[in-house]
Amino acid sequence: EVQLVESGGGLVQPGGSLRLSCAASGFTFSTSWMSWVRQAPGKGLEWVANIKQDGSEKYYVDSVKGRFTISRDNAKNSLYLQMNSLRAEDTAVFYCAKLGYSGFDLVNWGRGTMVTVSS
Amino acid sequence: DIVMTQSPLSLPVTPGEPASISCRSSQSLLNRNGYNYLDWYLQKPGQSPLLLIYLGSRRASGVPDRFSGSGSGTDFTLKISRVEAEDFGVYYCMQALQVPLTFGGGTKVEIK
Repeated sequence: EVQLVESGGGLVQPGGSLRLSCAASGFTFSTSWMSWVRQAPGKGLEWVANIKQDGSEKYYVDSVKGRFTISRDNAKNSLYLQMNSLRAEDTAVFYCAKLGYSGFDLVNWGRGTMVTVSS
Repeated sequence: DIVMTQSPLSLPVTPGEPASISCRSSQSLLNRNGYNYLDWYLQKPGQSPLLLIYLGSRRASGVPDRFSGSGSGTDFTLKISRVEAEDFGVYYCMQALQVPLTFGGGTKVEIK
């Protein structure tokens, strides 16, 4: 069974940094594209970033480019999101997702970790 | 970026009755390979989203056959033949053709 468990969320001040982690199990992590998706409180879903199996390709939504960095450690079956220069509008639940089927379908999701940016 | 627009915003449904949700994209999602890169997700209250449909009409693993997706190009529809209690929640369409991946605003299917 595919399991994705996010961690690292919390309360951070504007301008601060946070590193999210996603522990993957139940599938061959090194052969899967992975993604981060976020959801602000009471709002809809917003894709944040994708990373290719070997980390050679990374894509970001414009609003986080230059501030967030997606990475992975295939030896540890782990996905990461380094978030710098955080803003109030980054407050959201962040989900880790495994891509599959036709390519960028978000096939499996974790339960999410909450990030609150506030002074 | 491809803009996704869903309607209606809210859909009150009586259990056992059918339901239909519309999704429109600002650009065609039909790839040269003949497939439409359109997904449907359901997010139940307090839960993570769940993939229901990919490539416009293919059901994801374990999804009941009361869910069906149709459409091509820029206009798509998700149909539930008979809504069950477990189907209530917010439905999102998402284009999977290109980055940035973009979602519709969501349609809340609620008990009438």
